[in-house]
Amino acid sequence: KQEVTQIPAALSVPEGENLVLNCSFTDSAIYNLQWFRQDPGKGLTSLLLIQSSQREQTSGRLNASLDKSSGRSTLYIAASQPGDSATYLCAVRPNTGTASKLTFGTGTRLQVTL
Amino acid sequence: GAGVSQTPSNKVTEKGKYVELRCDPISGHTALYWYRQSLGQGPEFLIYFQGTGAADDSGLPNDRFFAVRPEGSVSTLKIQRTERGDSAVYLCASSALAGGDEQFFGPGTRLTVL
Repeated sequence: KQEVTQIPAALSVPEGENLVLNCSFTDSAIYNLQWFRQDPGKGLTSLLLIQSSQREQTSGRLNASLDKSSGRSTLYIAASQPGDSATYLCAVRPNTGTASKLTFGTGTRLQVTL
Repeated sequence: GAGVSQTPSNKVTEKGKYVELRCDPISGHTALYWYRQSLGQGPEFLIYFQGTGAADDSGLPNDRFFAVRPEGSVSTLKIQRTERGDSAVYLCASSALAGGDEQFFGPGTRLTVL
């Protein structure tokens, strides 16, 4: 059974810092990995999708990397802003059968302070 | 529509009652997913539709939970004889393809069972 772990559970940084969020998964047979952002009381906003054949994806100040063989992904946020404060979730889609369900980590709660 | 919509946004019910939660996916998306998110946890998969049929319902916790998608668009998640443990945020997502496409989430329905 796939298990997804995110470290740290919570992180507080001053505005302007670069930061890295970590995601690890136990079964490397994945089809893709997706990073989401969730604001309090809201749904999930998709940030980046990395296919299993890719090493990284970039969108603005965000860069996500994937090392499938070691079961790890990182989300790098450059020049953090208070508006980046949210919970960040990673999720993997399996590469077995026709299953398209995502398995999520428990998230990293990020606070960017002024 | 522009995004995935879910109604109601909040639902409070009493133990033992029946509830229906509605999801309206992005127009043209053939795949639809239901997840459940408890406080402080990542979303957990419930059921996935490809078109009108349930392709994977392995995440439904018991037979009190049922979901339909009769015309391949709007879906309804139905919960019978609700229990306090059913209290959670119910999230719906859709994707353009059954396979590796990005999943887009709605804002969720917060269900509270008293």
